[in-house]
Amino acid sequence: AAGVIQSPRHLIKEKRETATLKCYPIPRHDTVYWYQQGPGQDPQFLISFYEKMQSDKGSIPDRFSAQQFSDYHSELNMSSLELGDSALYFCASSFEGLGSGANVLTFGAGSRLTVL
Amino acid sequence: GENVEQHPSTLSVQEGDSAVIKCTYSDSASNYFPWYKQELGKRPQLIIDIRSNVGEKKDQRIAVTLNKTAKHFSLHITETQPEDSAVYFCAASRSFQKLVFGTGTRLLVSP
Repeated sequence: AAGVIQSPRHLIKEKRETATLKCYPIPRHDTVYWYQQGPGQDPQFLISFYEKMQSDKGSIPDRFSAQQFSDYHSELNMSSLELGDSALYFCASSFEGLGSGANVLTFGAGSRLTVL
Repeated sequence: GENVEQHPSTLSVQEGDSAVIKCTYSDSASNYFPWYKQELGKRPQLIIDIRSNVGEKKDQRIAVTLNKTAKHFSLHITETQPEDSAVYFCAASRSFQKLVFGTGTRLLVSP
């Protein structure tokens, strides 16, 4: 079965550089979530999109932005990178509806960002 | 907003023993409570979930109980095996909204 696809899997950047992470949700999933997980931490919600519109916003820094495109893939753009941005970034997708599968988040493999 | 607390932060058991992890949540409107297992550097994997209209759910060696009145839910793993060793996260959400995670429990199952 198709899963959530994230790219790149690993990314190394210098301070003050920019980075873009991509997420391709499971087909027919209408909601995408971005989470940031620091070492030894729980995943922290950044932002979500439902049907290409921002649906919720969490602890996302102003230096970060995201959007969901017409094909439902999403991109997380990070600028003026700081050392503290080094983390695993997970994308997850789900679908709204009735039934046992609704609202179940499936996570991608994550993108590991290292800022030097 | 929702706040989820999880205990214990670490749990060591012998193979074959049972393990119990407990979570409390603050938002009485939360109605979906999944549990994720995460191995080092890997993605969180859903292992079981429960919705607020159910008090208990079981899947082989794993069970989850929910007490809506007290706003707490628990994960029970019986007959633990070394491959159960991982970090376990509870989470809570309102319908079709973001998951709020607990702080995680590192489970170590010794042979």
